[in-house]
Parts: sequence; structure tokens; C-alpha cells
Amino acid sequence: DIQMTQSPSSLSASVGDRVTITCRASQSISNDLNWYQQKPGKAPKLLIYAASSLQSGVPSRFSGSGSGTDFTLTISGLQPEDFATYYCQQSYSTLLTFGGGTKVEIK
Amino acid sequence: EVQLVESGGGLVQPGRSLRLSCAASGFTFDDYAMHWVRQAPGKGLEWVSGISWHTSSIGYADSVKGRFTISRDNANNSLYLQMNSLRAEDTALYYCAKGGVIMTSGFDPWGQGTLVTVSS
Repeated sequence: DIQMTQSPSSLSASVGDRVTITCRASQSISNDLNWYQQKPGKAPKLLIYAASSLQSGVPSRFSGSGSGTDFTLTISGLQPEDFATYYCQQSYSTLLTFGGGTKVEIK
Repeated sequence: EVQLVESGGGLVQPGRSLRLSCAASGFTFDDYAMHWVRQAPGKGLEWVSGISWHTSSIGYADSVKGRFTISRDNANNSLYLQMNSLRAEDTALYYCAKGGVIMTSGFDPWGQGTLVTVSS
């Protein structure tokens, strides 16, 4: 199975900050990497697919980059509604796997 | 509007069985792969199983292989998960999620989930 490792597991940030979350795959997954946002008590929501494509309706302050084994989710100008947990997920293998999550908290 | 509504969760004893259902609407169901993803209380997301639109491709996480069976009824826009030999570690909120045209894609959208509690 392909293991996905996210870092950090949590971070504290202020409104307006630039936030970067990283995700590393245990083997090359090309650009088959998706990012999700989950708020407490809610289902996850797809933010980014194919490593860097913004899902329809997602604000442009969210961006993704990377290929191969190393990927990044960036939030440029953190907003109050962005405090949530973020997960990466590889869709390269038919055994789909998620990263452990990154909780973004208010500083 | 795409809607996914899960049902069938509940409290079940270890070793027993449960069948989850997911009713889909708002899209051409038989054009897309479908998946089950679970989340144990306070934990992260775990992909459980997925099925292609034509059912020829099916996958399971190692943790459920041999115990869980995914299926779909394209005529009735429904997805199912038959869960046998349930264990305490299967306790989780189970989400139904719409995949892509192929099995290997992201999940969008997700249902609100149905809670499965395995306990004596």
C-alpha cells in the first residue's frame, strides 16, 4: 500500500497568515493527489484534485502543488472559515489512502 | 444537486453483521465509481472500499478484506456495504462518496455518514 505522511499534524495560525501543509507519498504517485477540508461534525469537502486543480467553488486562496512524492497545500491569507482539518489522499493506486490529517487552529 | 444519503448504521455486537445503504440522486449514478470511507471517533479518514460504475473493478482496504462486500444497484441508484464479522475497531462514521469516471480519483461529494458502533 502507498503510505501518505502529512506534516505538521497540527498548527496554529492567525487570520491573514499564509499556511503551508505538506504531504509525502511512500512512492511516486505522479500528480494523483487530492486535498480535502473537514470541519467539525461535517463531511469532508474536496478542495484540490490532481495535485493542483482547484475544485469548482473553492476560493482561489487555496492552491496545491507538487508531483512524484512531495506535495503542498497552501492557503494564502487564512480566513476564519478555514480553521479545519485538512487531509491529502492519493488516487494513484486502486488501494486509495489518506494522510493522517493536519488540524489548523486559531492562534 | 448531488445528494448522497446513507442509512443502516446502528449498534451491533462483535461478530455480527450489518448492511449499509447509500441512496444517490442528482447525477447519472451508473457513470461513476462509488466509495465507502470511514472515520473512527476522533480519528482520521480511512478508505474502506470502492466499486467502478460497471462493477468490474472493486477494491478493499486490507483491514476489511474478506469481511466486507461492496455492491451497487444502478437501476435504483444505490450503493451498499455488507459488513460481516464486525469488530470493535470497525466502530466509525461511514461515509458514502461519489468517485470519478475511473476508480482512481477524488471523492466529491460525500454523504453525511451513518454511525456504526460495534460493542457488546
